[in-house]
Amino acid sequence: GIQVEQSPPDLILQEGANSTLRCNFSDSVNNLQWFHQNPWGQLINLFYIPSGTKQNGRLSATTVATERYSLLYISSSQTTDSGVYFCAADTGFQKLVFGTGTRLLVSP
Amino acid sequence: DTGVSQDPRHKITKRGQNVTFRCDPISEHNRLYWYRQTLGQGPEFLTYFQNEAQLEKSRLLSDRFSAERPKGSFSTLEIQRTEQGDSAMYLCASSFGANEKLFFGSGTQLSVL
Repeated sequence: GIQVEQSPPDLILQEGANSTLRCNFSDSVNNLQWFHQNPWGQLINLFYIPSGTKQNGRLSATTVATERYSLLYISSSQTTDSGVYFCAADTGFQKLVFGTGTRLLVSP
Repeated sequence: DTGVSQDPRHKITKRGQNVTFRCDPISEHNRLYWYRQTLGQGPEFLTYFQNEAQLEKSRLLSDRFSAERPKGSFSTLEIQRTEQGDSAMYLCASSFGANEKLFFGSGTQLSVL
């Protein structure tokens, strides 16, 4: 099955800093999503982005399907951005495979 | 749109007991998924339904696990003869269809003593 790897595993930022999270996947995908899991465990869908670029406020994501990676950009980070960011990919078997996540801590 | 609802939020049980969790998806979503998440890991797929039909089950879903979605609306996940290794967060998610955004509930945290 598809393998999904994320980097870095841990990230500490000062409030206001920018960051880039990376997701590599081992096979062609028709479904790539980014999620934020807040400290209370709730998973929030950030982007559905099998290819191309999307922006939502301070967050944006780019997937280069031909090179099998996706990037999540966080600009002007806030303490509420803390948590774990997951990317998840599906090759067409209708089940998302999640990476191990990037743990982000934004300090004031 | 009230989101995906799961009940209970927490469940503590003794080894060998049976437990049942409920998930109410977003009302117009015909796909419903169950995932399991252990500490420090990403969610792992267990099973999914399209309407009332269970279309796939993971190898993680042993014969002690059973899931139903009787009328294509809410779903239940039952674990029989619980083991300590079953301790995890059980997450339900729904989507409007295939290759659509997945929306998760808050999960049921199971602790087996």
